[in-house]
Amino acid sequence: SQKIEQNSEALNIQEGKTATLTCNYTNYSPAYLQWYRQDPGRGPVFLLLIRENEKEKRKERLKVTFDTTLKQSLFHITASQPADSATYLCAPEGGSSNTGKLIFGQGTTLQVKP
Amino acid sequence: GAGVSQSPRYKVAKRGQDVALRCDPISGHVSLFWYQQALGQGPEFLTYFQNEAQLDKSGLPSDRFFAERPEGSVSTLKIQRTQQEDSAVYLCASSMWTGGNQPQHFGDGTRLSIL
Repeated sequence: SQKIEQNSEALNIQEGKTATLTCNYTNYSPAYLQWYRQDPGRGPVFLLLIRENEKEKRKERLKVTFDTTLKQSLFHITASQPADSATYLCAPEGGSSNTGKLIFGQGTTLQVKP
Repeated sequence: GAGVSQSPRYKVAKRGQDVALRCDPISGHVSLFWYQQALGQGPEFLTYFQNEAQLDKSGLPSDRFFAERPEGSVSTLKIQRTQQEDSAVYLCASSMWTGGNQPQHFGDGTRLSIL
């Protein structure tokens, strides 16, 4: 079955540095992959979507890459700020159906220190 | 409001009771999803609706779980004879069209605690 793995340990970085989060998937080839941000007690909020034929996608300080050979997506936040502290979820599409269902990783918690 | 609304925000029930969780998706959104999120984990897919049709219920853990969306807008997730392992946050999401390749808009969830 499909498996999604994200860094299980929290990532602590200094304000102004670049945060890099990793998402690895196995046993299938998703047509697209999404990244979401989740704050405590809140629902996930959509950040970026990248398709299998796109190598890289950018939005303001965010950048996502999608390597279908390595079966990996990297999520970068440049010039990080304390307000970027949150849990980030990787969500490739769910494979067998065309419903749009997502399979989420367990999330990586990012802490940006001033 | 403009976003996905879920109620109640918190629900405490005794083991064996039935519960009903409500989701108001964004107006006009065709697709509606239910996910279950355990503490420290990512959301897990439960079921999917396209308008009023339930097209995928492969993630429902048992026949105690039932979902409906009778008029293609509001949806209800019902859990019968609740068990302690049903304790989790239940998230609802909607998206504009059918199929994938588009963002999902999530509500803030219902936190269910079974005593």
